[in-house]
Amino acid sequence: GAGVSQSPSNKVTEKGKDVELRCDPISGHTALYWYRQSLGQGLEFLIYFQGNSAPDKSGLPSDRFSAERTGGSVSTLTIQRTQQEDSAVYLCASSLLGSQNIQYFGAGTRLSVL
Amino acid sequence: EDQVTQSPEALRLQEGESSSLNCSYTVSGLRGLFWYRQDPGKGPEFLFTLYSAGEEKEKERLKATLTKKESFLHITAPKPEDSATYLCAVQAPNNNDMRFGAGTRLTVKP
Repeated sequence: GAGVSQSPSNKVTEKGKDVELRCDPISGHTALYWYRQSLGQGLEFLIYFQGNSAPDKSGLPSDRFSAERTGGSVSTLTIQRTQQEDSAVYLCASSLLGSQNIQYFGAGTRLSVL
Repeated sequence: EDQVTQSPEALRLQEGESSSLNCSYTVSGLRGLFWYRQDPGKGPEFLFTLYSAGEEKEKERLKATLTKKESFLHITAPKPEDSATYLCAVQAPNNNDMRFGAGTRLTVKP
């Protein structure tokens, strides 16, 4: 089937605006992750969803960041009042419970805050 | 705190010149160590998972090994198409996330 799909692929916004990034995981995958990748840096964990359990939000850098996952499938990462330091590639990954946590990644959304 | 350090940051090889990439980690009770390949403009692509010291896995020209403190990704007779950034990640038993290293950017020249 199809892989992890993210949209938009690129987003340019002005400082102070809100943005929404979308992730459509692989069908049947119960776990969904959001990461942030800044230039020359490793992936930074943001948030994790597993089935109907409460999400692990421990990686969210500030209260301007939030995410939801509707119906156990599609997820939206929202960044409010964007700042220039939010500029990065936002990656989404999904995995199947019991699959030894092999995560399959989307191509990412490149966010540029002007 | 769990940490993952990859070296070197960048590596340039001639086609056919074998070498190794290093991933050293500090984590309490390793649940798994993962190697990914990332091409420009794309998300990471899974390569290997290693779970215990002494374990080895191979795929084409790549071989991953694991000790209690580090992992190596050996590249034998690389080709230009092996050029990419190679990422290492570790997962601790009680964490839902994986801790990624900054990666090694490999360039293989023909």
